[in-house]
Amino acid sequence: AQSVTQPDIHITVSEGASLELRCNYSYGATPYLFWYVQSPGQGLQLLLKYFSGDTLVQGIKGFEAEFKRSQSSFNLRKPSVHWSDAAEYFCAVAPGGNNDMRFGAGTRLTVKP
Amino acid sequence: NAGVTQTPKFRILKIGQSMTLQCTQDMNHNYMYWYRQDPGMGLKLIYYSVGAGITDKGEVPNGYNVSRSTTEDFPLRLELAAPSQTSVYFCASSYVEETQYFGPGTRLLVL
Repeated sequence: AQSVTQPDIHITVSEGASLELRCNYSYGATPYLFWYVQSPGQGLQLLLKYFSGDTLVQGIKGFEAEFKRSQSSFNLRKPSVHWSDAAEYFCAVAPGGNNDMRFGAGTRLTVKP
Repeated sequence: NAGVTQTPKFRILKIGQSMTLQCTQDMNHNYMYWYRQDPGMGLKLIYYSVGAGITDKGEVPNGYNVSRSTTEDFPLRLELAAPSQTSVYFCASSYVEETQYFGPGTRLLVL
C-alpha cells in the first residue's frame, strides 16, 4: 500500500546535539517531498521541500534533508538542536501534486537542556 | 497580510448539529484545502479547491461539504455532526504547485 512512514513517534535529544528524523515513502514515482513543523496549538510551517535536482535540500531554521531514491527516504537533519526546535515534525509527500498531499503520523521532538 | 485565518478556534457540538468552519486567505492564492488531524496522526485531505466555483474531494470527504464562491473564502460545512468528526481542522492555501500555507486550526469536539 502507498504510505508515508515516520518510524519514530517520539525522539528526545539534548540541546546542542545533532538530530535526524526519518521518513520513508512507498510510491511508484518520486513524489514531491516536504517537511513541516508544528508547534503546540499552531498550524504547520514548511521547513523545506524537494521537487527535483540537488538531493540535499536546505531549509529554514538550519534544517536540511536528503532525498535518497534507492532507499525511498527523505530524512531531516540538523547539526545542533536548539530548545526552540521542540515541536512535532511531519513528513509529507505529494505523489499527484499539491492536491494529493499525504502526511506521515509525525515525530514529536523533545529537547533536553 | 494576515495569511490564512480560521474561525472559530474551538467549538463543542452535539451529535446531529451542524456548523460551518470558516477559512479566509488574503494572499490571492487560487488553491485552497481542508485537512483534518486526528490525535497521533498526520493530516488527511478532506476537500480542495483550485479556484472559485471549483471544488473536489480529497481522501476523507464523507460527512463534509464545501463551497468556493470567492477566491478568499473556503468554508467547510458539517451537516450532521458525529463523534468521529472530533478532530482539529486545518485550512491551507497555495499557488498552483507552490508551498501550502496553513491556518492555526479549529479544534472541534462532538459529544
